[in-house]
Amino acid sequence: NAGVTQTPKFQVLKTGQSMTLQCAQDMNHNSMYWYRQDPGMGLRLIYYSASEGTTDKGEVPNGYNVSRLNKREFSLRLESAAPSQTSVYFCASSPGGQILGYGYTFGSGTRLTVV
Amino acid sequence: RKEVEQDPGPFNVPEGATVAFNCTYSNSASQSFFWYRQDCRKEPKLLMSVYSSGNEDGRFTAQLNRASQYISLLIRDSKLSDSATYLCVVILWPNAGKSTFGDGTTLTVKP
Repeated sequence: NAGVTQTPKFQVLKTGQSMTLQCAQDMNHNSMYWYRQDPGMGLRLIYYSASEGTTDKGEVPNGYNVSRLNKREFSLRLESAAPSQTSVYFCASSPGGQILGYGYTFGSGTRLTVV
Repeated sequence: RKEVEQDPGPFNVPEGATVAFNCTYSNSASQSFFWYRQDCRKEPKLLMSVYSSGNEDGRFTAQLNRASQYISLLIRDSKLSDSATYLCVVILWPNAGKSTFGDGTTLTVKP
């Protein structure tokens, strides 16, 4: 099973450029998430989608937009990249609801550098 | 004060040692707790869930203390392969977005 697949794995952008990070899961999970992780720090939630058709802001949403395209896919868009958005981006999914004890499954990450 | 706090370490221990990490959380309404393992530049992977009654998986034991609002992870008979960063996660259900990750505790097991 592929689990959670993220593309691209690496990207270098110039300040002001835009790009979309893609994420797809094949586990029939309801909830999907985008996190960023800066060096030496934990993960911070950017946006999440509790179920198909809904999206909500997380802790650090500024500068990002998301689209829950269908149950499988959840994309993250940077409209005008800034050096402060240099980070590792992880997509994750979970069954959703009150299924306790399951946790999240993460993709392998996108390493983004904005110069 | 951070919502979830972990001692960043690093913890440097010899093979075979027993090591324990704690993670404190501030929201008493938190309902789900997990330990994740993250290897350098890789994605976090679920190590184990943490239940009120405590749970064990081989050399790993997780405990939850609701009264004092902390979770713990005990690793017995440490292996070189246990070297990693250990992240605790605290979740407020049913709002799946209300998850908070600790910044991680780094463990290095040496021969």
